[in-house]
Amino acid sequence: VIWMTQSPSLLSASTGDRVTISCRVSRDISSDLAWYQQKPGKAPELLISAASTLRSGVPSRFSGSGSGTDFTLTISSLQSEDFATYFCQQYFAFPLTFGGGTKVEIK
Amino acid sequence: QPQLQESGPGLAKPSETLSLTCSVSGGSISSNDHYWGWIRQPPGKGLEWVGSIFHGGSTYYNPSLKSRVTISVDTSKNHFYLKVRSVTAADTGVYYCARHVGDDALTGFDSWGQGTLITVSS
Repeated sequence: VIWMTQSPSLLSASTGDRVTISCRVSRDISSDLAWYQQKPGKAPELLISAASTLRSGVPSRFSGSGSGTDFTLTISSLQSEDFATYFCQQYFAFPLTFGGGTKVEIK
Repeated sequence: QPQLQESGPGLAKPSETLSLTCSVSGGSISSNDHYWGWIRQPPGKGLEWVGSIFHGGSTYYNPSLKSRVTISVDTSKNHFYLKVRSVTAADTGVYYCARHVGDDALTGFDSWGQGTLITVSS
């Protein structure tokens, strides 16, 4: 099993802040990583795949980077609609696994 | 993007078999372009992949659940299904159906249903 560790688990930030979320993986997964945003009571939504490829329609303030075992999701200027929980997911090998999540809350 | 909708009993008793349906509209489950999957989320916790299926019946399961889980598909109805046997309180959570990004189960999920809450309790 490939284990996923996200940090921090809780992030307090203000509108306009630059936010960085880390996802560390227990073994090399190349760039087989996706990022999702989940709002309360809603299903997750895909933001980024292949570690850094922004899904069509996702604002350009979101970006992803990394390969191997260390990955980062960055929101360049936090907007009110970005307060949510973010998950990473590896799809290098079965079983597909997710990180524990990072909740971005209003400071 | 297709629309996915889960349906299920809401409440299940311990030791019973839980049956869920995912209805797909706005896209054919028979296309060779996508795998389809189930993901669950215990209350207040993270996401757990349950398993995935291709329209031809090829399936992949999470080993943590494999002995209790079956995923199947009915292309004539454009539905796919999840059965979880011998449920316990640990199976309580929101169950999502979702579409894989491509024709490979080793991908992310680009379309999700709204989720259905399943509570296992006597």
